[in-house]
Order: sequence, then C-alpha cells, then structure tokens
Amino acid sequence: KAGVTQTPRYLIKTRGQQVTLSCSPISGHRSVSWYQQTPGQGLQFLFEYFSETQRNKGNFPGRFSGRQFSNSRSEMNVSTLELGDSALYLCASSLDKLNTGELFFGEGSRLTVL
Amino acid sequence: AQKVTQAQTEISVVEKEDVTLDCVYETRDTTYYLFWYKQPPSGELVFLIRRNSFDEQNEISGRYSWNFQKSTSSFNFTITASQVVDSAVYFCALSAPNSGYSTLTFGKGTMLLVSP
Repeated sequence: KAGVTQTPRYLIKTRGQQVTLSCSPISGHRSVSWYQQTPGQGLQFLFEYFSETQRNKGNFPGRFSGRQFSNSRSEMNVSTLELGDSALYLCASSLDKLNTGELFFGEGSRLTVL
Repeated sequence: AQKVTQAQTEISVVEKEDVTLDCVYETRDTTYYLFWYKQPPSGELVFLIRRNSFDEQNEISGRYSWNFQKSTSSFNFTITASQVVDSAVYFCALSAPNSGYSTLTFGKGTMLLVSP
C-alpha cells in the first residue's frame, strides 16, 4: 500500500514569491492535514480537510491556504513568502473512520526561503 | 488549551541501555487520545502507539513499552536494550474533541542518540 506522497521534496524560493505544495494521501483516506515543522516552534497544525471541506484551521496568517480535491489529494499554498516560512511542511492522512486522530505522515516538503 | 511537554530535549545513551522518554500533557477534555511518533532523519513521522484516555493499562510491544498515568498526566515511553537504529526524534502528541480529533498537539520532541 503506497504511503502519503508529498511533492516537491525540496524547494528554494525568495521572499515575496508564492509556493504550492502537493500531497497525495493513502488510498481510501479522506482526511488530509498539514503541519509546519520548524526548529523554534516545533510541529504546528496548519489545517485539515475532509471531503473537500476545511474542517479545522490552525493559528496561521491568511497567506497560508489549502484545498482538497475530489480524489482527496490536497494542496497548500503560501503567498508572499517570508524568511520565517522556511520549514518542513508535513502532510498526513487518516481514514477518519473513528475520528481518533491516527495520522500517517509523508516525508515532507522542505521549503527554504532566501 | 491543550499542551504537551517533553522536558528532555536530547538524550544520549550507549547501545543496550534502557531509556525513558517523558511526556506530560494538559487538556480539559475528559476524552482524548495520546500518541507517540518517531521521526528518523528522512523526516517522515512514524506512528508508534495510540492510547485513549479511558485505557490506563501499560502496553509493551517488543522492546517498547508505554506507561500512561492519568493521575500525573503523563505518558512515558521506554525503550529497552536500545539500538543504534532507535536514534531519532520522538514526539508525544495529544488529540481531543475541542480541537478536532484529527488535529494533533505535539510536544517539542526528544532527540535520542544511541551510540554503538
């Protein structure tokens, strides 16, 4: 069974640019969550999507957005990049059957903002 | 608000030593789930265990064991006879209804270094 796939794995952008990250969940998983991981703040929840609807949102500015498609694949977008957006962005999927939060993570997309 | 505290930032042990990773949590919910995840250098978070708030039985899985104590709001993780392959960052996490079960609140992580 294929795991959670995130693309691209690495990318470098400059301040002011925007970036789109993609996540393909495990087949059959309908919930997709995004987390930002930085050395200073650790792992922080960005948002969660289920059946193309955003169910939960973390405490991030509006520059961070996301969406989910009908096939459960998800994208997140960060506009007007800042140096502080440099981080590992992790996507996770879950069956959401019992809604108990067991998440399966991808290897992440490492974003560097120069 | 929910909070997970992993007071140990980094632990270094020699192979075959036992090591315990501490986790203390805070939540107002009476129903919640606790997790441990392992993050190797590749970056992917690997699920290790999930515990619900009504099940305080300790659990053992091979060299891994977990001690859940509601009285002290702790969910500690012990690796017996550690191996070099255990070197990774370990995260304790909490999910509860008021923030959505699919939303995990993570601790800052404990980096475990096991040397030969």
